[in-house]
Amino acid sequence: SQKIEQNSEALNIQEGKTATLTCNYTNYSPAYLQWYRQDPGRGPVFLLLIRENEKEKRKERLKVTFDTTLKQSLFHITASQPADSATYLCALDNYGQNFVFGPGTRLSVLP
Amino acid sequence: GAGVSQSPRYKVAKRGQDVALRCDPISGHVSLFWYQQALGQGPEFLTYFQNEAQLDKSGLPSDRFFAERPEGSVSTLKIQRTQQEDSAVYLCASSLRQDPRGNTIYFGEGSWLTVV
Repeated sequence: SQKIEQNSEALNIQEGKTATLTCNYTNYSPAYLQWYRQDPGRGPVFLLLIRENEKEKRKERLKVTFDTTLKQSLFHITASQPADSATYLCALDNYGQNFVFGPGTRLSVLP
Repeated sequence: GAGVSQSPRYKVAKRGQDVALRCDPISGHVSLFWYQQALGQGPEFLTYFQNEAQLDKSGLPSDRFFAERPEGSVSTLKIQRTQQEDSAVYLCASSLRQDPRGNTIYFGEGSWLTVV
């Protein structure tokens, strides 16, 4: 069956460290993979998009990798700050125009 | 508008009541999505429009759910005879292009529906 998993429900890290979040998928063949941030009571906010032929994408302190052989994407936040605390969602395209979301990882950056 | 606007933000409905949730996408955006998000879960796809055409409604959970976008801009998600399991946040999203997959998708803040 098709499945998207994100490493853990919650991740706590110390301020200044690099946070690494994992998105694994089964029985999908996405051409695109996106990462979103969601704060409590708010809608998801788009962060980064990576295509299947791209290995890595960067934006400021954010870095995403996409390994279609491992069926995995890694999302890194370097020099993390308490303001980075939020839920992070991965989403991949599903044979059409719609996106399928993972369950999310709740990141807490401790001062 | 500046962003995707949804109304009402909060709705409490009695079981069996019909509700209508409105979405104003960003002006000029061709693609429009509806997602349902339960507490602590990721959004789940409901339906997709390209302009006024509903191209995918595979995620609608039952025939009590109906969505429309008659003029290719504002969209309404209607839920008939609401049940407690319909309680969730309903998110609307839009994207500029016909094929949104490689483009930024903008979400609204959601309509929080509680069925009592």
